Amino acid sequence: DTAVSQTPKYLVTQMGNDKSIKCEQNLGHDTMYWYKQDSKKFLKIMFSYNNKELIINETVPNRFSPKSPDKAHLNLHINSLELGDSAVYFCASSQVLEADEQYFGPGTRLTVT
Amino acid sequence: GQSLEQPSEVTAVEGAIVQINCTYQTSGFYGLSWYQQHDGGAPTFLSYNALDGLEETGRFSSFLSRSDSYGYLLLQELQMKDSASYFCAVANQAGTALIFGKGTTLSVSS
Repeated sequence: DTAVSQTPKYLVTQMGNDKSIKCEQNLGHDTMYWYKQDSKKFLKIMFSYNNKELIINETVPNRFSPKSPDKAHLNLHINSLELGDSAVYFCASSQVLEADEQYFGPGTRLTVT
Repeated sequence: GQSLEQPSEVTAVEGAIVQINCTYQTSGFYGLSWYQQHDGGAPTFLSYNALDGLEETGRFSSFLSRSDSYGYLLLQELQMKDSASYFCAVANQAGTALIFGKGTTLSVSS
């Protein structure tokens, strides 16, 4: 059983399109996150949700909209995709909000052409 | 804000010992975490130090000195499979997310 899963694994799309990435965790964790990892491997927090409530919204363009329908799911919708959005997006979860041990999904490699 | 510094690259040979250092500047400090990421893979949790001292888990150990705002990850008996990127991380000021260093790429050769 995969602890944190993401779909799709690869996403290739054109500028201006809208796309979604889905994430699910079966660990029973309260907190879920979205991270962006750029081509230089810099891993940056985008959003965190605790019990479906948005806790952190880092300096992310409002074209990015997370949605948590329940504690086990955190989706990321991106509108009007830009070239600079090309990156690997990781979903992660932790047992509680303050936990330093986070479990990462396999990542979604987004390429915007 | 939080910032972390770690070397960008380290090289070593199989069987050797390598130390990856991390210095941090934080507003509020909870502890220092280490993550490993293989090429094309996801970050995986290695260790967490909240208190000063050395924590050992098999071939890997992690050290923290809160007074020096410094920590390190020590990898012993290096194996080829240890070739990966290693990230140190601290919690943000509110303790609600992790801030990662830029990562250290470890290359282990035979």
